[in-house]
Order: sequence, then structure tokens, then C-alpha cells
Amino acid sequence: AQTVTQSQPEMSVQEAETVTLSCTYDTSENNYYLFWYKQPPSRQMILVIRQEAYKQQNATENRFSVNFQKAAKSFSLKISDSQLGDTAMYFCAFMKHFQGAQKLVFGQGTRLTINP
Amino acid sequence: KAGVTQTPRYLIKTRGQQVTLSCSPISGHRSVSWYQQTPGQGLQFLFEYFSETQRNKGNFPGRFSGRQFSNSRSEMNVSTLELGDSALYLCASSRTLAGNYNEQFFGPGTRLTVL
Repeated sequence: AQTVTQSQPEMSVQEAETVTLSCTYDTSENNYYLFWYKQPPSRQMILVIRQEAYKQQNATENRFSVNFQKAAKSFSLKISDSQLGDTAMYFCAFMKHFQGAQKLVFGQGTRLTINP
Repeated sequence: KAGVTQTPRYLIKTRGQQVTLSCSPISGHRSVSWYQQTPGQGLQFLFEYFSETQRNKGNFPGRFSGRQFSNSRSEMNVSTLELGDSALYLCASSRTLAGNYNEQFFGPGTRLTVL
């Protein structure tokens, strides 16, 4: 079974600062996807960024980037130039490479607060 | 294009009752997954339906069940409610094209409170 661990329950930074959220996972699979989801106070879960395990290049989406270390089973999220709207719960998630079923395994989440 | 909708948004029930939650996926999406979110256990996968068939199931008791209709709309049912069933229930839909990655789009959730 796969497990996802987020060791930082809460983080707080000032607006415009850079923040890194940590995530480690455990799996025996070789092909899989990793995700970071954002859940703001509205509770709507939003996909932030996705990484395919077979790609060595780290994914980037505007101010969001990841540091994917496959051998170490580590997948951290870096938010640059943080904004007030980035305040939310962030969940790291794992999914096996598509085999006919969709099942996300989530970490416990990190509550991120961006202060003005 | 309309997003994933879930009804009702809020629900209050008492122990022992049963409840049915509904999820309408994005048009064209054939896969619907359900997740339970609680402060203690976090986000946990309940089950996934594709083409009216349960394709994957999480580790939940038989009191939790679901189904999917021919129009891809899905319902989940919880019988004999317990206090611990109080949670935010999230539904997610995806296109599920074979061999490709299919992003899951989440609905706003149904907040169930069991008294």
C-alpha cells in the first residue's frame, strides 16, 4: 500500500516570501503520479501541480514548482512570491499510473498562512 | 462548462439514520470517485465508479455504498449513521481515457453532521 507523509502541519510566511512544503511517500510502484492540491477555506479542492514519476524534469506552474527526488521518495512544493490568496490547506497526493482506476492517496495536509 | 456539483451542501442527521449524497460529474466525465475528509483521518478514498460499475473500493465498512447511473451521476449512501461519520464528503470526476492521465476535478463537497 502507498502512504504519503507531510511532516509540517502548519506553516506561516510573509507575503512575497518563498515557502517550501515537504512531502515524502512510500511505494513499490515504478510508474505513478504525484500531485499537490490546494484547499482554500471555501473547501473546493484545486489541483496546483502534477509530476509524472517517469519524468526527471521537475514540474513548474507559474509561481509553483516542485523538487521531485524519486530515489529519496520526496516531493516538495515551492511557492515563490507568495500571495495572500495562497492561504489554504495543501495536500500532497499519490496515484498509481493509470491502470483503469482512479484513486488518490493523500497526505495529512499542511495549513499554510500568508501574512500581509 | 459546469463543474462537479454535489447536493445537498449541508446535512444534519441523527445516529442510526441513513443518508444519500449525490454527485453530478462534469459533462463527458465517466468516472466518479468519492472521498471522506475528517480532521482525524484526513482525506480517505471511499470508492470509484466507472460506467455504472464500482471499479475500486477503499477500506470502509459495508454501511458505505454507492452507485452510478447511466448518465454518470453518482450517489453514495451511508446506513446506520455513527457520530464518526461526520465529515466532508468530496466527489471527483474525470474523463478516464485509457492510457492517458486524467485529471480529477473535485466538487464543493457535502458537509454531513451526525448528532
